[in-house]
Amino acid sequence: DGGITQSPKYLFRKEGQNVTLSCEQNLNHDAMYWYRQDPGQGLRLIYYSQIVNDFQKGDIAEGYSVSREKKESFPLTVTSAQKNPTAFYLCASNTGTYGYTFGSGTRLTVV
Amino acid sequence: KQEVTQIPAALSVPEGENLVLNCSFTDSAIYNLQWFRQDPGKGLTSLLLIQSSQREQTSGRLNASLDKSSGRSTLYIAASQPGDSATYLCAVVEGSARQLTFGSGTQLTVLP
Repeated sequence: DGGITQSPKYLFRKEGQNVTLSCEQNLNHDAMYWYRQDPGQGLRLIYYSQIVNDFQKGDIAEGYSVSREKKESFPLTVTSAQKNPTAFYLCASNTGTYGYTFGSGTRLTVV
Repeated sequence: KQEVTQIPAALSVPEGENLVLNCSFTDSAIYNLQWFRQDPGKGLTSLLLIQSSQREQTSGRLNASLDKSSGRSTLYIAASQPGDSATYLCAVVEGSARQLTFGSGTQLTVLP
């Protein structure tokens, strides 16, 4: 079945540590996105990529970085510059005809 | 800046009732509108996608309508079941990046 795979499901980060969240899709979609979900604040866009080797900042990009070296993969790194990283992170891909498909999410907690 | 509002924020109904969830948006320059379902601790499951040129879409017991000119969409759920209990999110697709702008969701509880 086609879809988006996010890993790990749970991730714990120590203060000052960088961590990378994985997102892989086999839908052959060009566009991929990272969203952050916090209780009571809805989902907010972190970064997006519309084509390989190109990506753009979203509304809350500070403290995050991404890469898009392959069409299938769009990893998100949460750097030590992100002061409040505890949240639920969702990766998505989009095709105009069929809309958005989301992964199952990664829950990141600072310990 | 686009704002998406969902009313009510929470809803509790007995099993078997028909119900309507409301979504409004401030900028009508959208490509499409998508309704999602989210179970606790899970990702988003797409329910219905309405293209900007369409007025409604149906899937099983779900029917979504779109009135772009007034900035409104509704999600109608017929004969609700306890398994329908979840948070329902409305999102509009806009801009050159085709990005989603979400509402805060309606938390639905269907009581057996």
